[in-house]
Amino acid sequence: AQKITQTQPGMFVQEKEAVTLDCTYDTSDQSYGLFWYKQPSSGEMIFLIYQGSYDEQNATEGRYSLNFQKARKSANLVISASQLGDSAMYFCAMRGSGETSGSRLTFGEGTQLTVNP
Amino acid sequence: DSGVTQTPKHLITATGQRVTLRCSPRSGDLSVYWYQQSLDQGLQFLIQYYNGEERAKGNILERFSAQQFPDLHSELNLSSLELGDSALYFCASSVGGLYQETQYFGPGTRLLVL
Repeated sequence: AQKITQTQPGMFVQEKEAVTLDCTYDTSDQSYGLFWYKQPSSGEMIFLIYQGSYDEQNATEGRYSLNFQKARKSANLVISASQLGDSAMYFCAMRGSGETSGSRLTFGEGTQLTVNP
Repeated sequence: DSGVTQTPKHLITATGQRVTLRCSPRSGDLSVYWYQQSLDQGLQFLIQYYNGEERAKGNILERFSAQQFPDLHSELNLSSLELGDSALYFCASSVGGLYQETQYFGPGTRLLVL
């Protein structure tokens, strides 16, 4: 079975500072993908960044980077130069390649990020 | 805009009723996924279709059913609705069904059962 753990229910950051949102995962699959999504108060789910289990380099997408530590089973999201518009719920998710994990994305419980001016 | 469309955006209905949620995937995507987001259960995978065929089932109740049509749009049917079915229902799509493919989500249908 797959599991995603996000231990920070809420985080606060000052505008223009960097923030790290924690995510740890558990899976028995050798191949898997890790994803981060943003959900603003309006409700839509916005894809931010992807990291494959065999990717040797950490993924980056603009101000977003993923700090992937495979041995520790962690996939933390780093947002640099926070903006007010970054205030939202952030979900870490994974999808395994094995027969037992199927096609589903397994989500963590989310971290509510608030950016203060 | 993810390119995935869902209708309706909001739905208010009564217990015992039946509703149909509709989803159109991104152009070129063959896989459609349905998820339910509720306060007590979080985000849960319901079911996946690939090119018209059911591919995987998750925590989908027997009162719920889905299908994917030849034009690749999908419908999720919820029947004998209960108060606990109130949730945000997302459709997502991806090109195929591989684990490394990003699933792009639609805006969701917010269902309220009274």
